[in-house]
Amino acid sequence: DSGVTQTPKHLITATGQRVTLRCSPRSGDLSVYWYQQSLDQGLQFLIQYYNGEERAKGNILERFSAQQFPDLHSELNLSSLELGDSALYFCASSVSGQGLGGYTFGSGTRLTVV
Amino acid sequence: GQQLNQSPQSMFIQEGEDVSMNCTSSSIFNTWLWYKQDPGEGPVLLIALYKAGELTSNGRLTAQFGITRKDSFLNISASIPSDVGIYFCAGPSVLDSNYQLIWGAGTKLIIKP
Repeated sequence: DSGVTQTPKHLITATGQRVTLRCSPRSGDLSVYWYQQSLDQGLQFLIQYYNGEERAKGNILERFSAQQFPDLHSELNLSSLELGDSALYFCASSVSGQGLGGYTFGSGTRLTVV
Repeated sequence: GQQLNQSPQSMFIQEGEDVSMNCTSSSIFNTWLWYKQDPGEGPVLLIALYKAGELTSNGRLTAQFGITRKDSFLNISASIPSDVGIYFCAGPSVLDSNYQLIWGAGTKLIIKP
């Protein structure tokens, strides 16, 4: 157990729908990162939050949004879902807002859009 | 921006064989990280390297920080079935004040039956 908790583990939904993925960072970590991994692909950085504020943005679609709450948990909202959004979505956390020490990843949420 | 090139893309090996993979960049990195992703799980940090020339081991795994600071190598000795997975190299970008991690595309390790 990495200490980073992601729910749900699996999600199946229809095109056009909206879903919310949840992440609780490791205790003491202030930064949360969201990544998308499509089948047999690498890790695509979506967005980073640090202590409640957006810190960095990657290749995140306009249909996707995220936030980090005062208790430091984060949610990734995916709307108007398309078949191509089917992927593993990972949350990672780190103590600081910087990547110097690496990140700790959760087990991911597997999203299937049908 | 900075990029990391990982090779090989995939490897088929026999149990008991030694494995080598590498990660290269056209620009320097001050830290190199090696992660392993088991099927259906999140990546787990295996080894972190902080100094050029550094050689660090973690059990049967050994990683090196290249002296040019533009490459890193990961070796696995006497591979076993649980070594199967995807190995990623990563490094904090020196061009980014947040030191966002730059990721290689991964090396997929498959054990021949």
